[in-house]
Amino acid sequence: DADVTQTPRNRITKTGKRIMLECSQTKGHDRMYWYRQDPGLGLRLIYYSFDVKDINKGEISDGYSVSRQAQAKFSLSLESAIPNQTALYFCATSTRAFADTQYFGPGTRLTVL
Amino acid sequence: AQTVTQSQPEMSVQEAETVTLSCTYDTSESNYYLFWYKQPPSRQMILVIRQEAYKQQNATENRFSVNFQKAAKSFSLKISDSQLGDTAMYFCAFMNRDDKIIFGKGTRLHILP
Repeated sequence: DADVTQTPRNRITKTGKRIMLECSQTKGHDRMYWYRQDPGLGLRLIYYSFDVKDINKGEISDGYSVSRQAQAKFSLSLESAIPNQTALYFCATSTRAFADTQYFGPGTRLTVL
Repeated sequence: AQTVTQSQPEMSVQEAETVTLSCTYDTSESNYYLFWYKQPPSRQMILVIRQEAYKQQNATENRFSVNFQKAAKSFSLKISDSQLGDTAMYFCAFMNRDDKIIFGKGTRLHILP
């Protein structure tokens, strides 16, 4: 079984709908991250959480919110989806060690019509 | 602010050849980490190699090696004896003391049979 899983893998939705993307991990890592990938722009950090009670905004948090339900679960919500939020979304995890490797989930492709 | 620049949007090489992907970065910090990630068509993000800035020795992982030039702020990836399975998007990334990764925009590499 994969260590970092994301659901759904693909989602098509309409403008104005609320969407939740979920991430679960079995690696026992404290830190979790949400990234967005757009063609030609690389990956950009949306939110990150260093433990259950420590959640921080990343580079592009506007229009997104997150919830860290447990050490193993970190959800990303789009309260009212808009077309320019169409992108590939990645969850990642790492240990507390400084500059530890981040392990990525398989990604969720979200299309907002 | 730290930035990561990959100047080659796309490259193609013949199978078994050696190819070098370029990456430059900008930072005022002295201690940091650098990474190369691979994203094959499956879209999974896979760590290829990492380099600690305070280490003089260039990192190597089998056919993958880096040329780390700290003074020049350059971190290139060399792939020797390239294989068809090396076809992917490659991202250079920088991690600062805040443990946040900054990604370059990527280089799409095609290995031709």
